[in-house]
Amino acid sequence: DAGVIQSPRHEVTEMGQEVTLRCKPISGHNSLFWYRQTMMRGLELLIYFNNNVPIDDSGMPEDRFSAKMPNASFSTLKIQPSEPRDSAVYFCASTWGGGSYNEQFFGPGTRLTVL
Amino acid sequence: QQQVKQSPQSLIVQKGGISIINCAYENTAFDYFPWYQQFPGKGPALLIAIRPDVSEKKEGRFTISFNKSAKQFSLHIMDSQPGDSATYFCAAGGGNKLTFGTGTQLKVEL
Repeated sequence: DAGVIQSPRHEVTEMGQEVTLRCKPISGHNSLFWYRQTMMRGLELLIYFNNNVPIDDSGMPEDRFSAKMPNASFSTLKIQPSEPRDSAVYFCASTWGGGSYNEQFFGPGTRLTVL
Repeated sequence: QQQVKQSPQSLIVQKGGISIINCAYENTAFDYFPWYQQFPGKGPALLIAIRPDVSEKKEGRFTISFNKSAKQFSLHIMDSQPGDSATYFCAAGGGNKLTFGTGTQLKVEL
């Protein structure tokens, strides 16, 4: 069992550049979550997909952020243009079922640094 | 808007001691309260969870205490060990998603 796979593990970019983070959920899981972790705000839910459909994107900070899930085994989170305040660790998590009651399995995260 | 408040932000406990982390929530629609444990460089992982129909749940050295009327719940780690040193997140769920607290960095010293 490979678990949730995220790439890249580390990303350093300059302000204004486009950043794309990638996630492969656990096979068979049909719900996928993108979170952002910072010291000040902890873990924040950005967007949640169920059966590849975005269900709740109320946590997406602004229009610079976008997320897609073209199929059950792949999702991307894109930031364009990136800003220094976007620096954080971004986690992808997956689970089976659409509710909050099932254990969410987190990937190892992508540490993003925007200079 | 912080719907789940967690304290303390950091905690140092001696080996063998009891670690206590507290959380409070606002939304009475929440009906699932998990705790996640995160080691450095790793993603969070589910540790223990409770539903509001019980006031306590124990799994090994880890216990959740739940006070529905006060809208508070806490994690107790008995006989804390250096291997318990990690960041702990409480969360509250209702519907489709979880709302996490800001985390507590626990360090267990020898």
